[in-house]
Amino acid sequence: QQPVQSPQAVILREGEDAVINCSSSKALYSVHWYRQKHGEAPVFLMILLKGGEQKGHEKISASFNEKKQQSSLYLTASQLSYSGTYFCGTAVSGNTPLVFGKGTRLSVIA
Amino acid sequence: GAVVSQHPSRVICKSGTSVKIECRSLDFQATTMFWYRQFPKQSLMLMATSNEGSKATYEQGVEKDKFLINHASLTLSTLTVTSAHPEDSSFYICSASGAGVQPQHFGDGTRLSIL
Repeated sequence: QQPVQSPQAVILREGEDAVINCSSSKALYSVHWYRQKHGEAPVFLMILLKGGEQKGHEKISASFNEKKQQSSLYLTASQLSYSGTYFCGTAVSGNTPLVFGKGTRLSVIA
Repeated sequence: GAVVSQHPSRVICKSGTSVKIECRSLDFQATTMFWYRQFPKQSLMLMATSNEGSKATYEQGVEKDKFLINHASLTLSTLTVTSAHPEDSSFYICSASGAGVQPQHFGDGTRLSIL
């Protein structure tokens, strides 16, 4: 079952913050976040496995709620290089393939 | 970081041709490889999952006789689009992951155009 991502698109000025959400109607085993630039392959950002987990990677961090049905990706002090489409991929067990959301198109302008 | 190489990056060919796409994990053993199809401005749609040495598992609606997948070793999987037609034109991307809960590392994708 495809996770629901919101918003579909967002435009930011450099230095602004953004939050991208990824929701499922079922409890998830894991959530994976990727960023894809136009014409390129998706690049792995991070995995979340535990309810209540928070993880950071420089100015990009993510959380996974206690019920393991929602994850949020936080982009702080955005840079031009953050532009791209962000996808969450979710798995309902340890040996099932990821199902990706429809993506959130992020545009950072100067 | 883990590197996955996918070739060719672009193919343009006539209708009826068969096209083979290779996906290699260069610096790790890929227990599982995945093949996706992506239309412009859309999400990644899983076509099939393959484990080394066994038959691929295809998603519903994906014709296994049309999209042949071979995963002969822990570093190589191939997707052959047989008798391709214009509606098969798309961006095909492979990914690979190691054992356990691991990130999927994506190849650079193959843009297939059938005339």
